[in-house]
Amino acid sequence: GIQVEQSPPDLILQEGANSTLRCNFSDSVNNLQWFHQNPWGQLINLFYIPSGTKQNGRLSATTVATERYSLLYISSSQTTDSGVYFCAVPNNNAGNMLTFGGGTRLMVKP
Amino acid sequence: NAGVTQTPKFQVLKTGQSMTLQCAQDMNHEYMSWYRQDPGMGLRLIHYSVGAGITDQGEVPNGYNVSRSTTEDFPLRLLSAAPSQTSVYFCASSLRGFRGQGMSTLHFGNGTRLTVT
Repeated sequence: GIQVEQSPPDLILQEGANSTLRCNFSDSVNNLQWFHQNPWGQLINLFYIPSGTKQNGRLSATTVATERYSLLYISSSQTTDSGVYFCAVPNNNAGNMLTFGGGTRLMVKP
Repeated sequence: NAGVTQTPKFQVLKTGQSMTLQCAQDMNHEYMSWYRQDPGMGLRLIHYSVGAGITDQGEVPNGYNVSRSTTEDFPLRLLSAAPSQTSVYFCASSLRGFRGQGMSTLHFGNGTRLTVT
């Protein structure tokens, strides 16, 4: 099945800093999603971004499907951005349900 | 709408015991799935269903059973709990699948933290 790798695994930022999270995948996809898991464990969908660029406030995401990667940009980070960020793509070995990367754990310090 | 509701939130089992994790959604979603989350391993798909009466195995199905008798409910059964099943379990639903283009968002429940001693 498809492999999904995220980097870096851990990231510590000072409040106000910018960051870029990366998601690499091993096969072509036409669906990619980014999720945020907050410190209380809740998982929230951030972006559906199979290609191109989308922005939502301080967060934006870019997927270059032909090169098999996606980037999540966080600008002017806030402590509420802390948590784990996951990307996910369909896995044709599992009914095209979403397969998740290992995540990037972000801590934003005040 | 309550979204995806999971019960219980916490559970401690002894090795060999059985239990059912409940999951219900009120969004009339066709697709439902169960994931487990272990430290450093992201979320791994256990079982999924594409509609009432239809279930299939995901990446890590061993030790778990599911059924889908209604659109709303998708319980996960542990027949004989093992310490390796200590994990956080998430139920999720989506209006449709993820094959092909077209937005289909995955909605998660709040999780069940299970400890097997």
